[in-house]
Amino acid sequence: KQEVTQIPAALSVPEGENLVLNCSFTDSAIYNLQWFRQDPGKGLTSLLLIQSSQREQTSGRLNASLDKSSGRSTLYIAASQPGDSATYLCAVSGGNKLVFGAGTILRVKS
Amino acid sequence: DAGVIQSPRHEVTEMGQEVTLRCKPISGHDYLFWYRQTMMRGLELLIYFNNNVPIDDSGMPEDRFSAKMPNASFSTLKIQPSEPRDSAVYFCASSPDSPYGYTFGSGTRLTVV
Repeated sequence: KQEVTQIPAALSVPEGENLVLNCSFTDSAIYNLQWFRQDPGKGLTSLLLIQSSQREQTSGRLNASLDKSSGRSTLYIAASQPGDSATYLCAVSGGNKLVFGAGTILRVKS
Repeated sequence: DAGVIQSPRHEVTEMGQEVTLRCKPISGHDYLFWYRQTMMRGLELLIYFNNNVPIDDSGMPEDRFSAKMPNASFSTLKIQPSEPRDSAVYFCASSPDSPYGYTFGSGTRLTVV
């Protein structure tokens, strides 16, 4: 059974700092990995999708990497802003189902 | 495209009542998923459909929960009778095919009192 773990559970940083969120998964037989953002009381917004054959994806200040063999992914956020404050969720797909981690709650202080 | 559309956004009901949640997936997406989110358990997959056919309902917690997809543009999740422990945010998501990405709706916040 696939299990997804995210570290840290919560993170508070000053504005402008670069930061890394970590995601690990137990079964490396995945199709893809997706990072989502969830604002309080809102739905999930897809940030980046990495196919199993890819090593990384970039969108603006966000960069996500994937190491299937070690069962790890990182989300790098450059020059963090208060608007980045949200919960970040990692999810892996081993077929048609997404399995989610518990998320990292990020707070960027101005 | 308007994205995945869920209704209602909020639902407050009394214990024992029937609750029906609705979802319209993105046109052309073959897969539809129902997830539940709680503070204690995070996001859990309840059931998913492929081409309107239920494929995996192993996440449905009890027989009180049922889901249907009568056509490619509509799905319902029904709870009968509802209980306070069913209070959660229920999300619907659709996907064109694996291994492509999923798009989530805004969710229905259910409160059972």
